[in-house]
Amino acid sequence: DGGITQSPKYLFRKEGQNVTLSCEQNLNHDAMYWYRQDPGQGLRLIYYSQIVNDFQKGDIAEGYSVSREKKESFPLTVTSAQKNPTAFYLCASSPGSSYNSPLHFGNGTRLTVT
Amino acid sequence: AQTVTQSQPEMSVQEAETVTLSCTYDTSESDYYLFWYKQPPSRQMILVIRQEAYKQQNATENRFSVNFQKAAKSFSLKISDSQLGDAAMYFCAYRRTTGANNLFFGTGTRLTVIP
Repeated sequence: DGGITQSPKYLFRKEGQNVTLSCEQNLNHDAMYWYRQDPGQGLRLIYYSQIVNDFQKGDIAEGYSVSREKKESFPLTVTSAQKNPTAFYLCASSPGSSYNSPLHFGNGTRLTVT
Repeated sequence: AQTVTQSQPEMSVQEAETVTLSCTYDTSESDYYLFWYKQPPSRQMILVIRQEAYKQQNATENRFSVNFQKAAKSFSLKISDSQLGDAAMYFCAYRRTTGANNLFFGTGTRLTVIP
């Protein structure tokens, strides 16, 4: 079955360490997205990519980095510069830049930094 | 700037009854798309229904329907014959058709279904 796989489901890190969240899709979608979800704040866009080797900052990109070397993969690195990294992270994809296309979401990764 | 407001942090409904979740948005654009997403305890976001702003007819998907009032910038979700599996967080989202490809989400409404 086609879908989006995020791993791991739970991730624990010490403060000051960089950590990379994995996102893989086999839907052959061009566009991929990373969202952060905090209680009471809905989803906020971190980064998005509409094509391989290209990506743009979203609303809250500071302290995060991404790469898009392959169409299927869009890993997110949470760096030590991110002041409040503990959150739930959702990866999503869509077929292209068509605004009618809904986003397909992964199951998310819960990151806890202590 | 586009904003999406869900004024009901929590709602509850008796099983088999009908409930309406409210959503308002702010935009200066005339063409856009609106979505309702459901996030059950598994936390995966699932598309419930979508509406195109240039279509006057309200979208429906089985027990789910919307009341789209473009002039009022309102996009409410009606769930009929509520089932226990409908219990979830519901997010309203707006997508513009110009500029960066992005969805703007509301803060969500937690729906409880009472057996």
